[in-house]
Amino acid sequence: DGGITQSPKYLFRKEGQNVTLSCEQNLNHDAMYWYRQDPGQGLRLIYYSQIVNDFQKGDIAEGYSVSREKKESFPLTVTSAQKNPTAFYLCASSTGAGTGANVLTFGAGSRLTVL
Amino acid sequence: GQNIDQPTEMTATEGAIVQINCTYQTSGFNGLFWYQQHAGEAPTFLSYNVLDGLEEKGRFSSFLSRSKGYSYLLLKELQMKDSASYLCAASDSNYQLIWGAGTKLIIKP
Repeated sequence: DGGITQSPKYLFRKEGQNVTLSCEQNLNHDAMYWYRQDPGQGLRLIYYSQIVNDFQKGDIAEGYSVSREKKESFPLTVTSAQKNPTAFYLCASSTGAGTGANVLTFGAGSRLTVL
Repeated sequence: GQNIDQPTEMTATEGAIVQINCTYQTSGFNGLFWYQQHAGEAPTFLSYNVLDGLEEKGRFSSFLSRSKGYSYLLLKELQMKDSASYLCAASDSNYQLIWGAGTKLIIKP
């Protein structure tokens, strides 16, 4: 079955540590996105990539980094510079560029908690 | 600024009808999306409206009024499995989504 796989589902981090969240898709989608979801707020875009080896900052990129070395993979690193990283992180993909131009397919999410 | 407003929480009875409203203010407009998200799970696409009017898809319908900056999602014959959050999102002039905070729908027997 085609879809998006995120791992791990739950992750605990100590302050000062970097962590990497995995996102893999087998939908052959060109565009991939990372969102952050906090209680009482709408989804906020962290980074997006429209093509391999290229990515752009979203609205809240500070303290995060990404790479897009393969079409299928778009890992997100939450660095120690992110001051409030505890959140639910969602990876998504679409056939074309633009979150509002295409239907998004989401992964099941990764919940990061900073201890 | 760009803004999406929707109620935080709604409660309805199994078998009944519920309407979830969404108002939006965006720089340009290229359509209105509704997604469903069960607790701790991935959002899934429900509907997309770009023209005024009602789009019906089984038990779910979505309405758009561009002049009023208003949309609603109508759920009929409610089932317990419809308990979820419903996310409204508007596409702006750059085809980027502006998301509402979501409406948590609680279905009671």
